Amino acid sequence: AQTVTQSQPEMSVQEAETVTLSCTYDTSESDYYLFWYKQPPSRQMILVIRQEAYKQQNATENRFSVNFQKAAKSFSLKISDSQLGDAAMYFCAYRRISSGSARQLTFGSGTQLTVLP
Amino acid sequence: DTGVSQNPRHKITKRGQNVTFRCDPISEHNRLYWYRQTLGQGPEFLTYFQNEAQLEKSRLLSDRFSAERPKGSFSTLEIQRTEQGDSAMYLCASTERLSTDTQYFGPGTRLTVL
Repeated sequence: AQTVTQSQPEMSVQEAETVTLSCTYDTSESDYYLFWYKQPPSRQMILVIRQEAYKQQNATENRFSVNFQKAAKSFSLKISDSQLGDAAMYFCAYRRISSGSARQLTFGSGTQLTVLP
Repeated sequence: DTGVSQNPRHKITKRGQNVTFRCDPISEHNRLYWYRQTLGQGPEFLTYFQNEAQLEKSRLLSDRFSAERPKGSFSTLEIQRTEQGDSAMYLCASTERLSTDTQYFGPGTRLTVL
């Protein structure tokens, strides 16, 4: 079974600074997707960034980028120029890519990010 | 399109009562998922629909839980004889037909069982 581990329950960052959230996962699959989702206090889950395991290039979305290390099964999220609106719970998630499966997401336990003004 | 919607947003019930939640996915999304999220944890998969067919159920989905998706549109999740352990946020997500399969989440239904 796949597992996702987020070892940082809480992180804080000063506004305009950079912060990195860690995520490791365990799988025997060779192809899969990895995601970072953001859940603000209103609690609607929002997709931040997605990485396909077969792509060596790290995904980037504006101020958000990932460091994907497939051999180490590590998938960290870097937030640059942090803004107050980035404060939220961040979840790392894994999804199988194989056909015939439900392709449900397996989530980590989350990292609560606080942005300090 | 306004995204995935869920109703009600909050539900308080007494132990032993039945409750039903509704999820309206993004139109033309043929895949629909239900997850359960307890406080301080990540969501856990409950069940999955492709169109109207329920194709997979988690071991978390006990016999007291039932889900339907008539005509492949909206979905309902019913919990019978609720227990205090059922208190959680119930999230619905839908995906489009494309291979990227990104899941879009609704705001959730917060269930409190007294």
